[in-house]
Amino acid sequence: AQSVTQPDIHITVSEGASLELRCNYSYGATPYLFWYVQSPGQGLQLLLKYFSGDTLVQGIKGFEAEFKRSQSSFNLRKPSVHWSDAAEYFCAVGAEYGNKLVFGAGTILRVKS
Amino acid sequence: EADIYQTPRYLVIGTGKKITLECSQTMGHDKMYWYQQDPGMELHLIHYSYGVNSTEKGDLSSESTVSRIRTEHFPLTLESARPSHTSQYLCASSATGTVDFGPGTRLTVT
Repeated sequence: AQSVTQPDIHITVSEGASLELRCNYSYGATPYLFWYVQSPGQGLQLLLKYFSGDTLVQGIKGFEAEFKRSQSSFNLRKPSVHWSDAAEYFCAVGAEYGNKLVFGAGTILRVKS
Repeated sequence: EADIYQTPRYLVIGTGKKITLECSQTMGHDKMYWYQQDPGMELHLIHYSYGVNSTEKGDLSSESTVSRIRTEHFPLTLESARPSHTSQYLCASSATGTVDFGPGTRLTVT
């Protein structure tokens, strides 16, 4: 069965600093990987996804993520964080294209000015 | 921009009441899902559907039921609400690739 671990429950970064959110997954085959962002009281918005091909994927809002099969990781990065990036971020893994997703517990990002 | 609608957005209701959470999507997606999200916790799949008249239970056991009579509509029903049902319920849909989410319904059972 698939599982996702996001080791950091909370992360605080200064505005303008770089960001990396960690995600480790467990799945026997090639996974389909996603990062979503959730603002308070809102649904989930897709930031980026990895299905195959280039292991460095670009997403919206200046985010990128790198798939590392050897480490079973799919970490999210952003070179310069903006105050509006404060939200909760969820990593998810799917076994099939566009199918049921398994989510991590989320990482809450706080941005200090 | 995904077009998934959930109503109501917020609901406070007493124990024992029957409730239906509505979910509709205008994209013609075959696959639809209900996830339950408790504060500070991951989302758990409670129901999914691969098309009309197809419904399955998800990984997390739930006392709720769902129906899929029309492609665009996937309502969730609780016959008798209990405080343990207090949570956020997120509806989602997909065709191929991306799973799109609605804004969620925050349910509080008193």
